[in-house]
Amino acid sequence: DTEVTQTPKHLVMGMTNKKSLKCEQHMGHRAMYWYKQKAKKPPELMFVYSYEKLSINESVPSRFSPECPNSSLLNLHLHALQPEDSALYLCASSQKTGTANLGHSTDTQYFGPGTRLTVL
Amino acid sequence: GDSVTQMEGPVTLSEEACLTINCTYTATGYPSLFWYVQYPGEGLQLLLKATKADDKGSNKGFEATYRKETTSFHLEKGSVQVSDSAVYFCALSGYGGSQGNLIFGKGTKLSVKP
Repeated sequence: DTEVTQTPKHLVMGMTNKKSLKCEQHMGHRAMYWYKQKAKKPPELMFVYSYEKLSINESVPSRFSPECPNSSLLNLHLHALQPEDSALYLCASSQKTGTANLGHSTDTQYFGPGTRLTVL
Repeated sequence: GDSVTQMEGPVTLSEEACLTINCTYTATGYPSLFWYVQYPGEGLQLLLKATKADDKGSNKGFEATYRKETTSFHLEKGSVQVSDSAVYFCALSGYGGSQGNLIFGKGTKLSVKP
């Protein structure tokens, strides 16, 4: 089973709202990722958690706050978003085997279906 | 830095036509290479992967061979179906501090007409 689940599927929020996106995997993966994808563009990496610790934050504004409560769950807390933050938010996970070819990982990332976020 | 270049679409084909989507990369060392597919309104699905030179990834009739000498990983299918209509992303695994991260091409939209 290579399933990553995300909730909600759709979310509409105002600029003053606080909401959270949720991601879950039960594959025993130890790395989890948040991506933002605008229409007709590839996904852009936002955050990486490795063994439940934040390892990469790609200069994401503080109105996005990630949280990894345990090895299976990943949340993205949203507050005071802007209309330009409207996008598809994708979660992914990977095994984190540590296997690499001269510095490149051989791990595969598995993606969830995404949350379609609209900020009014 | 590492990068992926893939042919820009859209690509429109008739059912049962042959498909090739070109993908070339620039990378330090030996990256793992991936093709992901994104159907309308959905997330990305892994289509196939290759982790070393001359490896061939295959799935659902799609194939791609890791060519180190030409730094390419072109996606091919001998006979496309309407259900193959989607956006296809070529990607490679990051290096060093970005190990495990994916670097994506811009995506190629494929439309297959009956």
